[in-house]
Amino acid sequence: EVQLVESGGGLVKPGGSLRLSCAASEFTFSYYTMNWVRQAPGKGLEWVSSISSSSSFIYYADSVKGRFTISRDNGKNALYLQMNSLRAEDTAVYYCAREHCTNGVCYPAMDVWGKGTTVTVSS
Amino acid sequence: SYELTQPPSVSVSPGQTARITCSGDALPKQYAYWYQQKPGQAPVLVIYKDSERPSGIPERVSGSSSGTTVTLSISGVQAEDEADYYCQSADSSGTVVFGGGTKLTVL
Repeated sequence: EVQLVESGGGLVKPGGSLRLSCAASEFTFSYYTMNWVRQAPGKGLEWVSSISSSSSFIYYADSVKGRFTISRDNGKNALYLQMNSLRAEDTAVYYCAREHCTNGVCYPAMDVWGKGTTVTVSS
Repeated sequence: SYELTQPPSVSVSPGQTARITCSGDALPKQYAYWYQQKPGQAPVLVIYKDSERPSGIPERVSGSSSGTTVTLSISGVQAEDEADYYCQSADSSGTVVFGGGTKLTVL
């Protein structure tokens, strides 16, 4: 079964750091652009960052630019999000999500999601 | 980056057709995508490329586009369709944007 499993969430103080991981299985991870999407409690979805298959193209939401770093290890089928200078407004469930590809064409949509990992920033 | 605007809520009786709109200036140039999210669950992609259904999504779920507005339609609404629905697009710089979400209530 195609699967994404996030880990690394937890409680951290404002200004602190956290590194999220996402383990991919049962698909060719190195082929796909991968994304991080977050959802604050009771709020909507917010895209955080994307990384292309070979890490050549990386994009960030303005809200995290300069504080978060996305990376991947295709040899380990793993996606990462290094989060520094965390703020209370970064509190959210963080989802790892795979780009949607069909019939040899890929779209900036997400068709496989993990269950999410919760990040709480509080003193 | 640009914005996508959705109505906060839509209500419909069972068996009727629910229509959820999403507006954005870039939509004539960029495809729209739709997700369904039920409480405590991850989102599920239900429409891509404005009107295409991923495998496993029923035919009663459809998408359309007209100018700066895209619409998700669900015909023969059932209780199980009650969920939050999000539109999403991406601009030419690689930035992804989600709409604010619409809560679909089945009366």
